[in-house]
Amino acid sequence: AQSVTQLDSQVPVFEEAPVELRCNYSSSVSVYLFWYVQYPNQGLQLLLKYLSGSTLVKGINGFEAEFNKSQTSFHLRKPSVHISDTAEYFCAVSDAGYSTLTFGKGTMLLVSP
Amino acid sequence: EAGVTQFPSHSVIEKGQTVTLRCDPISGHDNLYWYRRVMGKEIKFLLHFVKESKQDESGMPNNRFLAERTGGTYSTLKVQPAELEDSGVYFCASSFTWDRGNSPLHFGNGTRLTVT
Repeated sequence: AQSVTQLDSQVPVFEEAPVELRCNYSSSVSVYLFWYVQYPNQGLQLLLKYLSGSTLVKGINGFEAEFNKSQTSFHLRKPSVHISDTAEYFCAVSDAGYSTLTFGKGTMLLVSP
Repeated sequence: EAGVTQFPSHSVIEKGQTVTLRCDPISGHDNLYWYRRVMGKEIKFLLHFVKESKQDESGMPNNRFLAERTGGTYSTLKVQPAELEDSGVYFCASSFTWDRGNSPLHFGNGTRLTVT
């Protein structure tokens, strides 16, 4: 069975500082990996995804993530955050070619001035 | 293009009552999913429709939950009778195909259900 671990429930950071949100997964097969963001009172929005190929994936709003197969990780990074990045971020995995997503518990990114 | 819409946005009911949640997917999306997030926990899969057929309902917690998608358009999720542990945010999502690699999931804003 798949599982996704997001170790940090909250990450406070100052504006313009870099940030890394951690995600580790477990799966016995090839996987697709995703990061979703949920802004207050909105639905989940896809930030980026890894399917295959280059391990560094770039997404919207200046975010990027790196797939590390040996460490079964897919950490999300941004070199300089804005107040508007305050949101909850979810890492998710699906078996390659399958439909259902397995989510982590989410990490709340709190950006302050 | 209208996104996935869910009604109501909030619902507060008493234990033992019935609640029906509705989801309107993006037009043309045959695949419709229900997910649930109990406070502080993961977002968990409930079930998947392809058109009007239930493709996978392995995540449905028990028989108090009934999902339908008559005509392959909108879907409803009924909880009857509701229990305290049913409280949470219910998300609906839709996609053109079932392959997550080629067809992203579009989520609605969710329905926050509170059972008192």
